[in-house]
Amino acid sequence: EPEVTQTPSHQVTQMGQEVILRCVPISNHLYFYWYRQILGQKVEFLVSFYNNEISEKSEIFDDQFSVERPDGSNFTLKIRSTKLEDSAMYFCASRPGYEQYFGPGTRLTVT
Amino acid sequence: KQEVTQIPAALSVPEGENLVLNCSFTDSAIYNLQWFRQDPGKGLTSLLLIQSSQREQTSGRLNASLDKSSGRSTLYIAASQPGDSATYLCAVHNTNAGKSTFGDGTTLTVKP
Repeated sequence: EPEVTQTPSHQVTQMGQEVILRCVPISNHLYFYWYRQILGQKVEFLVSFYNNEISEKSEIFDDQFSVERPDGSNFTLKIRSTKLEDSAMYFCASRPGYEQYFGPGTRLTVT
Repeated sequence: KQEVTQIPAALSVPEGENLVLNCSFTDSAIYNLQWFRQDPGKGLTSLLLIQSSQREQTSGRLNASLDKSSGRSTLYIAASQPGDSATYLCAVHNTNAGKSTFGDGTTLTVKP
């Protein structure tokens, strides 16, 4: 069964550095999402993406964040200058119709 | 602003019991509602999705209901098993292509 994949599984970076988190959505899916989950907290919506543009973004998704679908298969989340508070699990999700399918997540640790 | 609340926060039951998890939301203008399971340190596994026009969905031992007017959904698990132990999350999708709002989850422990 097709799955959403994410790389890397764990990323450690220093404060101020740029990171790119990568996702490969399921191939025939049209809608793409990024969420984050700070340890012990709720899953939080960051951004949704459809037809090669952002559909909606949350207050968290400020100018430090950007998303891209550089080719037909990858979907990336870039954080330009990481802060300590960006440490979290980042989940990518995609869907064909209504149901969202999540990837296993990338744990980002900012030191 | 949509807010999603799940009760109880934690639940411990003996194997074989039937149980109900609750989810409430403040804005009834939802697109659909989805129940997920999350194992420790893992991603989210979709369990059931209910469209805003539907009242319930069933999959195996799971049954989810939706009452949009009262802002409530329930997840019923029949004949619980130790393998059901996980955190169950309720997510409200507010629009077709946009924001989803998650609850805090209910952590279920099923004891053998």
